[in-house]
Amino acid sequence: QSALTQPASVSGSPGQSITISCTATISDVADSKYVSWYQQHPGKVPRLLIYEVSNRPSGVSDRFSGSKSGNTASLTISGLLPEDEADYYCKSNTIGGTSVFGPGTAVTVL
Amino acid sequence: QVQLVQSGAEVKKPGASVKVSCKASGYTFSSYAIYWVRQAPGQGLEWLGIINPGSGGTRYTQKFQGRVTMTRNTSTATVYLDMSSLRPEDTAIYYCAREPLGPWGQGTLVTISS
Repeated sequence: QSALTQPASVSGSPGQSITISCTATISDVADSKYVSWYQQHPGKVPRLLIYEVSNRPSGVSDRFSGSKSGNTASLTISGLLPEDEADYYCKSNTIGGTSVFGPGTAVTVL
Repeated sequence: QVQLVQSGAEVKKPGASVKVSCKASGYTFSSYAIYWVRQAPGQGLEWLGIINPGSGGTRYTQKFQGRVTMTRNTSTATVYLDMSSLRPEDTAIYYCAREPLGPWGQGTLVTISS
């Protein structure tokens, strides 16, 4: 069982907002402020969307936003576009100095 | 520009070892940690470990302790992932990535097959 849980799939219509959750199941990762989110299209290299819970690297659309409450981090995609259809992974640091990925969430744009 | 370029695809037999390289350019090599991630066919991302190119210090996920070694060569700005006792389930694309904001390497397909 992963230290992070994510919904297997989330879907939405173009223009809608969706939220993907990432819940820490063990205390080693629950308190981390180093939560990142990655987008991966089929056959492509993962792309960083959010780092340190809510920060966007330059070049990432402000339609992507991150937050955290308790042991659950969230990625919100607003104004859903067809090109947002991809797999999304959260990653968190652990107190042991390692990191762990969530199992991933497949986003479908209806 | 900042980039990480990985070595080419590998095919290995079960029980063998593999060494994947990741050459950095466009920045001060010793200033940013590099971590390794793998992705088996049709599966999610799995974090393997991280190396500090300045000190050579490493941390590995417990699952890979004793089977994975990460090293670096500061003169060539290259980090290496060594994995031993390979089994078919180690077949995956292996990526290196720079902390904290990337980039990622292009990936190296490692296939384990008898």
